[in-house]
This record gives sequence, structure tokens and C-alpha cells, in this order.
Amino acid sequence: DTAVSQTPKYLVTQMGNDKSIKCEQNLGHDTMYWYKQDSKKFLKIMFSYNNKELIINETVPNRFSPKSPDKAHLNLHINSLELGDSAVYFCASRIQGVLNHTFGSGTRLTVV
Amino acid sequence: TQLLEQSPQFLSIQEGENLTVYCNSSSVFSSLQWYRQEPGEGPVLLVTVVTGGEVKKLKRLTFQFGDARKDSSLHITAAQPGDTGLYLCAGATTSGTYKYIFGTGTRLKVLA
Repeated sequence: DTAVSQTPKYLVTQMGNDKSIKCEQNLGHDTMYWYKQDSKKFLKIMFSYNNKELIINETVPNRFSPKSPDKAHLNLHINSLELGDSAVYFCASRIQGVLNHTFGSGTRLTVV
Repeated sequence: TQLLEQSPQFLSIQEGENLTVYCNSSSVFSSLQWYRQEPGEGPVLLVTVVTGGEVKKLKRLTFQFGDARKDSSLHITAAQPGDTGLYLCAGATTSGTYKYIFGTGTRLKVLA
């Protein structure tokens, strides 16, 4: 299936831990994003990469570090997790020049 | 900071009724998209509007982009339970790095 795939779907972890979320797209897109959706369903952009190069970094704490090993993958590593990091994190992709985003199904992160 | 305010925030209606969701900003956007998101899934693109005053129809859904490209509306005719979901508008910025600003969301519930 052609899609944007995120793993894991659910992640429950303790404060202070370090965790990673992985994202892969097989759509041939060259731009990938991480978005954070809070408990009020507000969706906010965090990062964007184009062809492995960081192009958007939206005032996100430096505990969050995205990594794009190739243009089909964009992973998100989070250090020293805090309670306020609990949210649903969405990966998305598109082709530069085309307006449409394709979203993954999300990773629900719960920090306890 | 560019903001997109959606109204109403919540809407619960009976099957067969009509409804309109509004997406308003004081900023100009180069294009605007509407998404629908169901629980446990990522947003799915419904439509993209690009030209001020543009109207697009998708079966029972009618989308309009404001003449000044600062606002948009989504009208649903004869709503059905399958229309239930979170509706999000997203505007593409006109300056700086291209990115989407998402609206505050409208949760629609259509009762059978």
C-alpha cells in the first residue's frame, strides 16, 4: 500500500525518558513534516524537511531532534520527555510544488 | 502570528440538516485546504482552493474561498452520519518558507 507509515501507533513512557518515532513514506514525495496535535485537536507544524534538508523549525525545544536519513524517512527523537509532550504526533509528506499533504495515522505519545 | 479561527467549535445536528463551517483570519493565504479527520487517524484532504472567490463542490460539500483570500467556508447539504468528524482548514503562508497554518477545528456530529 502506498502511504505514510508511522511507528509506533501508541507510546507510553515515563518522564525523563528518551524515545523515537519513525516515519516512512513510499509516495515518492520529497518534503516531509512533523506536526503535533494537542488535546484540543490543534495541529501545529514542528519541522519540515525537503530532500533531507531541514527547512522549517518552528520554535520547538531542542529536546526534539528530527533526522532524515533519506527523503523517504523522517524520524523524530525526543530527549528528556516531559508531561507536556503528551500529544498525537503526525508525520506528513508532499511533493514540492504540489499543495496536497498526505498524513500518517499518528503516534499517540503519553508521558506519565 | 497567523491564526485561523474556525466556527463553530462544536456542532451536533440531525441527519438531513444543512450546516456551514467558517474559517477566518486577518492574514492572506496563497491557498487554503479543508481536511476531515476521524478518531485515531490523520487528516484527509477534502479540497484545495487557490483563487479568491473560488467555489468548489464535492458531492454534498461546497467550499468557498473568500475574495480577499483571508477566509473560507464549508457548507454541507443534507448531512449524514458519515460526515461526522473533525474538520480542519489550513492556509498556506504567502511569505517566508512555504508552510500550512491549521485552523482551530470544528467537531461535527451528525445524529441518525
